[in-house]
Amino acid sequence: GAGVSQSPSNKVTEKGKDVELRCDPISGHTALYWYRQRLGQGLEFLIYFQGNSAPDKSGLPSDRFSAERTGESVSTLTIQRTQQEDSAVYLCASSLDVGRGTEAFFGQGTRLTVV
Amino acid sequence: AQTVTQSQPEMSVQEAETVTLSCTYDTSESDYYLFWYKQPPSRQMILVIRQEAYKQQNATENRFSVNFQKAAKSFSLKISDSQLGDAAMYFCAYLSGSARQLTFGSGTQLTVLP
Repeated sequence: GAGVSQSPSNKVTEKGKDVELRCDPISGHTALYWYRQRLGQGLEFLIYFQGNSAPDKSGLPSDRFSAERTGESVSTLTIQRTQQEDSAVYLCASSLDVGRGTEAFFGQGTRLTVV
Repeated sequence: AQTVTQSQPEMSVQEAETVTLSCTYDTSESDYYLFWYKQPPSRQMILVIRQEAYKQQNATENRFSVNFQKAAKSFSLKISDSQLGDAAMYFCAYLSGSARQLTFGSGTQLTVLP
């Protein structure tokens, strides 16, 4: 596709349920990032994938959060046993990562509401 | 760890006027990049301008320019001839030369008054 695509756009779930968020990066982009944006705040880094290298999971807030990426394509972010504090917008970004400072292109995010 | 501070939660500007958004950062590194991103209500982050720390010349993109003061660790964004479409949340972001993820400030909500 022309840009980074995320689905669903909005998700309402009950506390304790598991959710899966999907990200389709720009074709050919080897790097993929997940960020979390709480209401009125900046973006917090969650996880980074680069090609076939081991992902950088240093930003994941708890073991309820996990993410996978198939090769250099789709990524899913899974939150198990959701809590109300997980309510946020989850943004995905991808980049060519051919050099330092390469521009990251963002999707429109998934707004997760845990009730 | 690097931190990015945006001390202006909200700013407003009259259409066609100029506004400056402030950003300071804290780092011990010499190799890094700085960015300003715009986030309209659509939620999609859009890159406005970027600056490499090794470049002394301030970056400019049409009506957008930065004032990069490396010694002071300051990176302000100037928007000239403000337009209604400039209204959005603006985020300052830092990227270490050795890391891959961006560190963001808390944002400044810009309102453009007609």
